[in-house]
Amino acid sequence: NAGVTQTPKFRVLKTGQSMTLLCAQDMNHEYMYWYRQDPGMGLRLIHYSVGEGTTAKGEVPDGYNVSRLKKQNFLLGLESAAPSQTSVYFCASNRGLLAGGLIGELFFGEGSRLTVL
Amino acid sequence: DQQVKQNSPSLSVQEGRISILNCDYTNSMFDYFLWYKKYPAEGPTFLISISSIKDKNEDGRFTVFLNKSAKHLSLHIVPSQPGDSAVYFCAASASEETSGSRLTFGEGTQLTVNP
Repeated sequence: NAGVTQTPKFRVLKTGQSMTLLCAQDMNHEYMYWYRQDPGMGLRLIHYSVGEGTTAKGEVPDGYNVSRLKKQNFLLGLESAAPSQTSVYFCASNRGLLAGGLIGELFFGEGSRLTVL
Repeated sequence: DQQVKQNSPSLSVQEGRISILNCDYTNSMFDYFLWYKKYPAEGPTFLISISSIKDKNEDGRFTVFLNKSAKHLSLHIVPSQPGDSAVYFCAASASEETSGSRLTFGEGTQLTVNP
């Protein structure tokens, strides 16, 4: 049981380049999230999804796009990378209360470290 | 506007002693609070949580205390073990957010337990 898997684990981009981070979960979770972690700032929510085909903005959505075409996958895209997007990105998922999950109990991937030069 | 704040970036304790990690919040809509633990090169993992209708929740060596009037919560680890050395994140959620669990995290506190 892999849980939440993020691809790639590391990436270096030049300013203006585009890329996509892939998150895959095998727990049949309804909800998925993308967070970024920066020194001294904790984790901040970028975008999230409450089900297949849905997406919504979080706290820091600017410069990112997301898609949830399949329930198990949540993609985070950077159309034109900027140095301010240098960060560690974490994907997370959870079941939701109606499916027996606990409030706030998210399952995180190992993270993807992105550097934009 | 940091709605969840952990004022201590780091904490060092001796093995066997108590570790106390603190967290303050400002948003009165928060009514569910959690602690996550993070080891290097891994994602955060859920540790313990507490609802605002309680003032204490205990799970083995870990106890979370909530003081609603002060908007303050703390995590106690007794006894502390070297394997507890990690970054601890405080997080909060508002139950009005019925769609998913959009957590607001604090900055994290690096706990080091010395043998």
